[in-house]
Amino acid sequence: EAGVAQSPRYKIIEKRQSVAFWCNPISGHATLYWYQQILGQGPKLLIQFQNNGVVDDSQLPKDRFSAERLKGVDSTLKIQPAKLEDSAVYLCASSLAQWTGGSGANVLTFGAGSRLTVL
Amino acid sequence: AQSVAQPEDQVNVAEGNPLTVKCTYSVSGNPYLFWYVQYPNRGLQFLLKYITGDNLVKGSYGFEAEFNKSQTSFHLKKPSALVSDSALYFCAVSYVAGGYNKLIFGAGTRLAVHP
Repeated sequence: EAGVAQSPRYKIIEKRQSVAFWCNPISGHATLYWYQQILGQGPKLLIQFQNNGVVDDSQLPKDRFSAERLKGVDSTLKIQPAKLEDSAVYLCASSLAQWTGGSGANVLTFGAGSRLTVL
Repeated sequence: AQSVAQPEDQVNVAEGNPLTVKCTYSVSGNPYLFWYVQYPNRGLQFLLKYITGDNLVKGSYGFEAEFNKSQTSFHLKKPSALVSDSALYFCAVSYVAGGYNKLIFGAGTRLAVHP
């Protein structure tokens, strides 16, 4: 099966500029995640979608970050305006539906990530 | 609060020797535990998971992990390391919040296998 597709792979911008990242999950995966991975740290969940609804966005800096998954398939993560501390790899992942119970054992499939450098 | 700790930033081991990458967790209830590996410029790849049952779980590439409930640990092991095992390893735990499953990661441990 095709993996999780992300683009662009690399992006360099000046602070206060905007940037958008795109993700296409594995077909049939209802749950989509955006993680931020800062160098030397583990991935931090930014937002989690179940189909086209937001399940968790508690760690998303909503004054500058936004994300959407309009048709319950692909998703876009936007940063506007960017700050220096936003330099990181943005990882998209998908999994089968996430409800309580055994689905907590569902495996996430990650894309290769989008590396953002803010100058 | 739910958390995952990987106490070692880096583990160095000679090729052919056994390796252990440590992980401890703090989660209420029964946890689901995972190990993922990340190679340079690649996304995370699933290695193995513990759900229930046998405390020793086997995964991809000859890796295994031992679940210890009393010590709240889930250490990753391999009997004989390969140079190609050199990568960044992440421990993760799944828990329920707000009716949905959430997955949090440790900070990662870099494994360096020397010829």
